[in-house]
Amino acid sequence: NAGVTQTPKFQVLKTGQSMTLQCAQDMNHEYMSWYRQDPGMGLRLIHYSVGAGITDQGEVPNGYNVSRSTTEDFPLRLLSAAPSQTSVYFCASGRRVKSSGDTQYFGPGTRLTVL
Amino acid sequence: DQQVKQNSPSLSVQEGRISILNCDYTNSMFDYFLWYKKYPAEGPTFLISISSIKDKNEDGRFTVFLNKSAKHLSLHIVPSQPGDSAVYFCAASAGNQFYFGTGTSLTVIP
Repeated sequence: NAGVTQTPKFQVLKTGQSMTLQCAQDMNHEYMSWYRQDPGMGLRLIHYSVGAGITDQGEVPNGYNVSRSTTEDFPLRLLSAAPSQTSVYFCASGRRVKSSGDTQYFGPGTRLTVL
Repeated sequence: DQQVKQNSPSLSVQEGRISILNCDYTNSMFDYFLWYKKYPAEGPTFLISISSIKDKNEDGRFTVFLNKSAKHLSLHIVPSQPGDSAVYFCAASAGNQFYFGTGTSLTVIP
């Protein structure tokens, strides 16, 4: 049971390049999400999904695309990278039911630098 | 506009004493609140949560208090241990979205 895995761990891009951050979970969770963490800003929700084929926007969706073709995978695509997208990106998964002890499980993060 | 706020960027506490981390929120639609702990170069890990229908939840050394009228959440750690040194994030949920505070860096001094 690997939990939530993210690849790559580090990435450097040039402005205008595109790339995909990979996220996979093996806990059969319906809910998956992407966050970015910036200094002084906490974690901000980019996109989320409540099941295969269903995605929706979070707080800061501009410049990012997502898709959810399987329960396990939730890739995040940067269409045309900008320096403002330099950040640490976290993927998370969890059950949809919100009860005591329910939570999201986070991956280890991808540190992205856009030059 | 930040809907979840942690106004203390850092906190230092002696080992064995109580650590109290605070969090304020603005959205009265939040119905579920969580605390996460984060070490450098790792993803956040879940600590404890509370539903809006409760005012207290306890799990071992960790207790979360919710004051809905004040829109205030706090995490108490008793007794504090050096291994508790980390950044603590509070989070709140409405529907399928989660909103995080900016974090408080806790240092427990041996």
